[in-house]
Amino acid sequence: KAGVTQTPRYLIKTRGQQVTLSCSPISGHRSVSWYQQTPGQGLQFLFEYFSETQRNKGNFPGRFSGRQFSNSRSEMNVSTLELGDSALYLCASSLRTDANYGYTFGSGTRLTVV
Amino acid sequence: GNSVTQMEGPVTLSEEAFLTINCTYTATGYPSLFWYVQYPGEGLQLLLKATKADDKGSNKGFEATYRKETTSFHLEKGSVQVSDSAVYFCALSRNTGNQFYFGTGTSLTVIP
Repeated sequence: KAGVTQTPRYLIKTRGQQVTLSCSPISGHRSVSWYQQTPGQGLQFLFEYFSETQRNKGNFPGRFSGRQFSNSRSEMNVSTLELGDSALYLCASSLRTDANYGYTFGSGTRLTVV
Repeated sequence: GNSVTQMEGPVTLSEEAFLTINCTYTATGYPSLFWYVQYPGEGLQLLLKATKADDKGSNKGFEATYRKETTSFHLEKGSVQVSDSAVYFCALSRNTGNQFYFGTGTSLTVIP
């Protein structure tokens, strides 16, 4: 079966712009989580959605937002981009909103802010 | 709070050598513990997990035992292969949580 699909794979944006990243979970998965991976901070939790509702949010500024659609696809948006937002953004999906149940990660979107 | 500390890398081993990557954790309550692996250019793959004390997770020759008394979950493999070269992440989740707390990752390179 298809895995978690993230688009685009690579993105270059200018400081001050905004960006939208997309994640298509495994078919039937209703929970989608987002993580930011940087060399300095490692992997940090952004937010988690289940059945179109945000269930949990990490410690990121309000410039980072997300949503989930009725087909479980999710998008995250970063407004007013800063150089420090350059990172690999990973999406993960699961059948349930429970980390113990097992999450499958996508290959990520590499965002570079110049 | 919740956090994971794992050994600094990079680690370089010869093929067939023994591997240990140390991982200790701090958590409220009784967390579940995980090892994830990331190959170049790819996302994270679940390697193994353990959900309660004294549980041993194992997969592809890798093992880790949930030690509550030492708050540790060290990853071991008896004989590494070149194909094991990757970055390994230790992580925890709280019992009712839906997020992972990751360590900083340990890069492993296995040379023939």
